[in-house]
Amino acid sequence: ETGVTQTPRHLVMGMTNKKSLKCEQHLGHNAMYWYKQSAKKPLELMFVYSLEERVENNSVPSRFSPECPNSSHLFLHLHTLQPEDSALYLCASSFGTYNEQFFGPGTRLTVL
Amino acid sequence: AQSVTQLDSQVPVFEEAPVELRCNYSSSVSVYLFWYVQYPNQGLQLLLKYLSGSTLVKGINGFEAEFNKSQTSFHLRKPSVHISDTAEYFCAVRQTGANNLFFGTGTRLTVIP
Repeated sequence: ETGVTQTPRHLVMGMTNKKSLKCEQHLGHNAMYWYKQSAKKPLELMFVYSLEERVENNSVPSRFSPECPNSSHLFLHLHTLQPEDSALYLCASSFGTYNEQFFGPGTRLTVL
Repeated sequence: AQSVTQLDSQVPVFEEAPVELRCNYSSSVSVYLFWYVQYPNQGLQLLLKYLSGSTLVKGINGFEAEFNKSQTSFHLRKPSVHISDTAEYFCAVRQTGANNLFFGTGTRLTVIP
């Protein structure tokens, strides 16, 4: 695998479910990001991790819980989501938070 | 606060015709500027970036963009488009010294055969 990978690519869940999104980067980067992409809206930065420490949390509801166990892996744990949380969730990584970000293909999430 | 405006949500253009995708930003401090492309079912890929120096920036796939500080614009251009250029294009801005990338709402470019 090369670049940034995300699993699953598609996820359908009910509002009472608990699920996790996974991101893995194979680029030797030390910063990772979660973005939310909704139709007709700009990409929204959700979380930033640098050297496995969370450095940004943009007022994201607590039903989204990130985890960064090491510099290559990033998770987004989901619980009791709402239908308006349905979106494409993109992961990105970079070498330092000031450099170019490389994006994964995203997870298309549908909350019923 | 920073913001990015992409006024054109959709741009249809015939194959081999030129195209310009517009991007304006607002910021009270110096910024870095980026254009990303998103093909169907894929993540975003960096097309080009302006960090400093020459205001005309060349990127991949024959695209280029010009930074105009007085007009706070960073329009993307290509002199002759191909069918394969059909995709969503996003302009983004980052304040120098900051983590956050602010994106526009995107412009869907459709190349017509």
